[in-house]
Order: sequence, then C-alpha cells, then structure tokens
Amino acid sequence: DQQVKQNSPSLSVQEGRISILNCDYTNSMFDYFLWYKKYPAEGPTFLISISSIKDKNEDGRFTVFLNKSAKHLSLHIVPSQPGDSAVYFCAASPTGANSKLTFGKGITLSVRP
Amino acid sequence: NAGVTQTPKFQVLKTGQSMTLQCAQDMNHNSMYWYRQDPGMGLRLIYYSASEGTTDKGEVPNGYNVSRLNKREFSLRLESAAPSQTSVYFCASSWLETGFYEQYFGPGTRLTVT
Repeated sequence: DQQVKQNSPSLSVQEGRISILNCDYTNSMFDYFLWYKKYPAEGPTFLISISSIKDKNEDGRFTVFLNKSAKHLSLHIVPSQPGDSAVYFCAASPTGANSKLTFGKGITLSVRP
Repeated sequence: NAGVTQTPKFQVLKTGQSMTLQCAQDMNHNSMYWYRQDPGMGLRLIYYSASEGTTDKGEVPNGYNVSRLNKREFSLRLESAAPSQTSVYFCASSWLETGFYEQYFGPGTRLTVT
C-alpha cells in the first residue's frame, strides 16, 4: 500500500515557465512533508519542507503548497531552469520519535532550454 | 567536512557471496539510515539506527543486517547476496530520527548481483 504517491512519472517544461510537481498521501498521521532532489549518480538532497500547520512555504524559486483536506501537496518551481532537471521525491512523516520518512516513487523533471 | 561518505561506489557480486557496505558521517548526527532505490520504486528504508547502540528494521529488512559501529559509522551487510538485491544503496543521517530533521544522503553504492 503506497502511502505517498507521485502519480506522474515525468514532466517536461520549457525554460522560464512554471514547473508543478504533485504529490498525494493517504496516511492522515503525516504532518511533515519534504521534497528531495536527485541528480544521476548522486544522493538525494533536501530541497524544501512544510509542516501541516502551514499551507505554503517558499524558498527562492521553490514553493510548496499543502492542502490537508485533500491530502495533496505540490512543488512549484518558478522560473524553471535547465539545472532543475532531476528526479524529485516527495516524502512524508508523522511527528514524534521514530517517525521515519516515507518516500514517493519520484518524478523526473526535464527543463528544455 | 565530507558529510556522508559511502564505500564502495560500485560492486558486482555473485549469488551467495557476502559483502559489507560502509557508511560514515562527520556531522555528529544521532540517527542513520540505509535505503535502497530500485527503478520505479522510490527510496525504501532497509534499516535505521535512531541513536548509537540501537538499530531497527525498516520496510524491507530481509536479507540484510546492520551494525552501528559508533556514532559516526553504520554498516550494511549482505550475508548471501541474491539477484533481487541488485539496487542502488543510499546511506543517510539526521540529527534526530523524526521527520522534522532533514536527512543528508551519501552518494550511493551501485550493487549488481549476478
């Protein structure tokens, strides 16, 4: 049973446009959400996070939106750059001790010059 | 400050052989993790260590053992490798074992079992 779902395996966007990466979750105990970015032959790196007490968190070109009632979050990248081409993983965790991350399968973003 | 380091980067094993994947972190983190990444499967947790001296199973622990050697080092052992263990293995660490604390990942070990 997949608790964190990234239903679109890939996304292609023109440079300068907005990239919107979606993520859905099923576990209502999740209340902390993170996005990781992964380049080929490298480990994932943390990008941005959001707590369930907020509905938006922004960091430069990256904004994450959380809709708790829909159990949905999205990552917006504006403007998209060719260097953003990577695999993006959504991850979620409940709070408290031993709260391990559950990852989605990832979305491959390609930004065309 | 190297962050999280993993050795080896690549390994080919024959079915039934054993090997240990090494991981070390220099960030004074308490918690460490081993994940595997397979095509179309995302990252799946194999084992984790919330703090020095403790280890616990994750989502896919069968066929693996771990040792938290000290605060810095966390190794993953395959006692009898199987083709199903062909994967990319990532070690990660974090300050504490809750989701609030960002996990830092190593570069990965690409393992092929023939």
